Amino acid sequence: KAGVTQTPRYLIKTRGQQVTLSCSPISGHRSVSWYQQTPGQGLQFLFEYFSETQRNKGNFPGRFSGRQFSNSRSEMNVSTLELGDSALYLCASSFFSEETEAFFGQGTRLTVV
Amino acid sequence: GENVEQHPSTLSVQEGDSAVIKCTYSDSASNYFPWYKQELGKRPQLIIDIRSNVGEKKDQRIAVTLNKTAKHFSLHITETQPEDSAVYFCAALSGSARQLTFGSGTQLTVLP
Repeated sequence: KAGVTQTPRYLIKTRGQQVTLSCSPISGHRSVSWYQQTPGQGLQFLFEYFSETQRNKGNFPGRFSGRQFSNSRSEMNVSTLELGDSALYLCASSFFSEETEAFFGQGTRLTVV
Repeated sequence: GENVEQHPSTLSVQEGDSAVIKCTYSDSASNYFPWYKQELGKRPQLIIDIRSNVGEKKDQRIAVTLNKTAKHFSLHITETQPEDSAVYFCAALSGSARQLTFGSGTQLTVLP
């Protein structure tokens, strides 16, 4: 069974641009969550999608958005990039989100210059 | 919302010794507590988890204990090996919020 796949693995953008990251969950998993990982802030929850619906959102500005498609693949978008958005963005999929193991992708390393 | 505190932030032990990492959580509705290990440059991977109806769970050299009354849970690694060196994260799943809140991580170094 294929794991969680995130693309691209690395990305360099300039301030003010926007970026779209993609996450393909494990087949059969319907819940996809996104996290931002930085050395100073650890793993911060961005949002969670289940069956194309955003069920929960973390404490991030509106520049961070996402969506989920009918095949459970998810994308997140960051508009008007800032230097502070440089981070490793991880997605995790699970069958549900309640009390079931979340499997992480390798992440997308975003660098904003 | 949920708040998870993790201690210590760094931990060095001699090979063969035990390591203990502790976490506390704030939301009494949280009911699922996984532990993840993240090696340098790799994705976090689940090593053990515990649900709120269980007080202790063991898997070979790794064990987790949960005290719901005190709202804390701990990871215990016995007979540590150099390959145990990594960052360990605890997390709590709030049943109402359906999100995993992570602790700040513990850098474990096992000295040969």
